[in-house]
Amino acid sequence: LAKITQPISMDSYEGQEVNITCSHNNIATNDYITWYQQFPSQGPRFIIQGYKTKVTNEVASLFIPADRKSSTLSLPRVSLSDTAVYYCLVGEGNNDMRFGAGTRLTVKP
Amino acid sequence: DAGITQSPRHKVTETGTPVTLRCHQTENHRYMYWYRQDPGHGLRLIHYSYGVKDTDKGEVSDGYSVSRSKTEDFLLTLESATSSQTSVYFCAISESLGHTYEQYFGPGTRLTVT
Repeated sequence: LAKITQPISMDSYEGQEVNITCSHNNIATNDYITWYQQFPSQGPRFIIQGYKTKVTNEVASLFIPADRKSSTLSLPRVSLSDTAVYYCLVGEGNNDMRFGAGTRLTVKP
Repeated sequence: DAGITQSPRHKVTETGTPVTLRCHQTENHRYMYWYRQDPGHGLRLIHYSYGVKDTDKGEVSDGYSVSRSKTEDFLLTLESATSSQTSVYFCAISESLGHTYEQYFGPGTRLTVT
């Protein structure tokens, strides 16, 4: 089962690009990587998912190197409303899934 | 937002008492999950269900049981609550299992065991 490691916290300023890296050294062949965002007093919300290389959607990009032992969530031009906790999830499904402990991102004006 | 509700939203109970948390969905999704969230641990899977009456254990299932008698309801029971079960509990649903799944989370239940 994948052991997931993420930075505990990060600070940024409005308008900057933020990159949050997740380490998952023993990721399994069938595992996908998913990122969630969580605001206080709410449940996590899906951001993006990928298996390898690069995935981009309207809110973020996900970069996964060839060895897949890490992944980087990239948030372009963050705003104050992006202040939240970001979780990396690795797994294929059911009881193989593992969340990281989360990265608390604080965006400052 | 996906139609997921959890009840109660807050509960304080005493050690040794039974507690049942309810998750209700209106999306008709097949898969339902119970997680607990604790500082420094992120979210950890307790149990999940892949259909009516079909459930399986997750990473931290000891001390918890679940039941799913209808597609829309997934119950989490603490038979005899302990202080270590003080946590925020989240229910989630997903349409499919596997690499294309996206989980939708409920608002959470804050449980305090005194």
